[in-house]
Amino acid sequence: QSALTQAASVSGSPGQSISFSCTGTSSNVVSYNLVSWYQQHPGKAPKLIIYEVIKRPSGVSNRFSGSKSGNTASLTISGLQAEDEADYYCCSFDGTNTWLFGGGTKLTVL
Amino acid sequence: QVQLQESGPGLVKPSETLSLTCTVSGGSISSYYWSWIRQPPGKGLEWIGYIYSSGSTNYNPSLKSRVAISGDTSKNQFSLKLSSVTAADTAVYYCARHSGSYFGYFEYWGQGTLVTVSS
Repeated sequence: QSALTQAASVSGSPGQSISFSCTGTSSNVVSYNLVSWYQQHPGKAPKLIIYEVIKRPSGVSNRFSGSKSGNTASLTISGLQAEDEADYYCCSFDGTNTWLFGGGTKLTVL
Repeated sequence: QVQLQESGPGLVKPSETLSLTCTVSGGSISSYYWSWIRQPPGKGLEWIGYIYSSGSTNYNPSLKSRVAISGDTSKNQFSLKLSSVTAADTAVYYCARHSGSYFGYFEYWGQGTLVTVSS
């Protein structure tokens, strides 16, 4: 059971749009629309920002959006803000009632 | 509002058993899936395992031989035991509640508790 693949880091300027990718396999991302994304600020617990690939929890900014194509899920942040600087993790149901996280992507807002 | 709070020793000796408890308020553990997730310092998240309301459990295959999760509905708590710990088990341990039609995501999280494995 290998982790989902995420880039280690990404950076962008305020106001830009930025995307994160999360690559899995036929055991997880391809087969299930159960990809979720979490935002984690330093020293804090992860916060759910996208679930079931495209859905946004109540209270989460509509600047966050999710999608999936084949074995890759994506998170896009539009209108980047300083407060978006954080680590972002994807997660997928992995079949046989197990869950798998990505290694995380560190977002730097320039 | 559902709230989760982890508790337990912050220091465990190598080869011993790590034991943590998650106390849930604002909802009953008799419903939903409840998981433990950990994060080594400076590293990513790792799902450890879950317990379902009926008491059924499932674990990360990489930890399965050392993990046990149990629940106490009278106290609205669930617990983690990880045996034969090494320094590699040093991490912040989170408890979390699943949500969704297929319990596919982690909606509510505890604040996390750091457990250090050291003699």
